[in-house]
Formats: sequence, C-alpha cells, structure tokens
Amino acid sequence: NAGVTQTPKFQVLKTGQSMTLQCAQDMNHEYMSWYRQDPGMGLRLIHYSVGAGITDQGEVPNGYNVSRSTTEDFPLRLLSAAPSQTSVYFCASSYSNGRGLKEAFFGQGTRLTVV
Amino acid sequence: AQKITQTQPGMFVQEKEAVTLDCTYDTSDPSYGLFWYKQPSSGEMIFLIYQGSYDQQNATEGRYSLNFQKARKSANLVISASQLGDSAMYFCANVPGANNLFFGTGTRLTVIP
Repeated sequence: NAGVTQTPKFQVLKTGQSMTLQCAQDMNHEYMSWYRQDPGMGLRLIHYSVGAGITDQGEVPNGYNVSRSTTEDFPLRLLSAAPSQTSVYFCASSYSNGRGLKEAFFGQGTRLTVV
Repeated sequence: AQKITQTQPGMFVQEKEAVTLDCTYDTSDPSYGLFWYKQPSSGEMIFLIYQGSYDQQNATEGRYSLNFQKARKSANLVISASQLGDSAMYFCANVPGANNLFFGTGTRLTVIP
C-alpha cells in the first residue's frame, strides 16, 4: 500500500523558474492538501482540495497554483520560484468520519531550494 | 483564525520516564479534532493519536495518551516509558469542523539514556 507519494524528494531551482511538485494517493481520500514547513513555524497550509474539481486557498497561497482533476492526484505548481519559497513541502490526504477529519496521511516531503 | 500553541520549544526526559508535551488550542467551532504527529530527524510526519471534541474518553494509542481538557482547551500528549527512539519533533494540530489541519510550532523532545 503506497499511501501518499510525493516527487521529487529534493529539488534546486533558480529564481524565476517554474516547476510542479507531484502528489498521488491510493487511498481514495477526498481531502488533499499541501503544506510548507519552515524552521520555527510548524506546517502552514498552502492549498487544499475537498474533492476532484474543487480547490481552495490556505494560509499561504501566494506564488502557488493547484488543480485536482482526479481523486488520486493533487499537483502543486510554483509559477515563478523565489528564494522565499525555499522550504520543505508536504502533501497530505485525509478522510472524514462524518464529524470531521480523521487521520491525515503525509507524503515523505520535498526539500526545495531556490537560489 | 485558528491558533495552536505549543509553549515548550524543547524538552528533555530520562529514558523509561514519562513526559508530557503541552498543547493549547483556540477554536470557535463546536466540532473539531486534535492530532499529534511525530517528526523524526529523517523528516517524515508520523501520526500518533487523534481526539475528537465529542469523544467522551481520552484517546490512547500504546504508550501515547492524550490528556484532553475541553474547558481549558488543552490537549497534552503524554508519552509513557520514553525510549531513545522517541527523540523527535512533536507537533500538535487542530482540525476545526471539516477543514484542514492547523499546526503548532512543535516541541523538540530529547530522550536521555
């Protein structure tokens, strides 16, 4: 059972370049989300999706774009990379038990450096 | 806005002893969930325990238990019989309603042999 798969694990970009971080889950979860983790700040929500075709912004959405064409995939696009986007990125998927989200499963993370 | 507070940037515990990691939250949603995650030095996020706001009993998962005090809005993680492998960052997170997780800034736990 693969769970949540993120690629790549490491990436170095030049300022202004664009790229897509891939995220796929095989658990048929309706909820998927992207977080970034910076030192001393915990994880902050970038974008999330409550189902195929539905996305919304989180706390720190600027500079990022997402789409959800299938239940399984939720890619994160950096439109024009900036050094401030140097961070570790996590994708997560989760399900609701009717009263709210239960356990969220995380990918292994992508360490992105923008130079 | 949701707010999760972990006031202990770092904690030390002797091997085999118990340790409590503090977490307070602030939400106006009547229905919410509370999570604890462990992040070892390898970087992955490992789910430890979940508590729903309507759950009558405190959650337990093996050596982990959650001291849930709803009126005080606190959800402290208790790790019993600490092991060297418990050394890691620990994050508390809140899920208000059916929304996403909001994380605290974490506590770094070091287990001393």
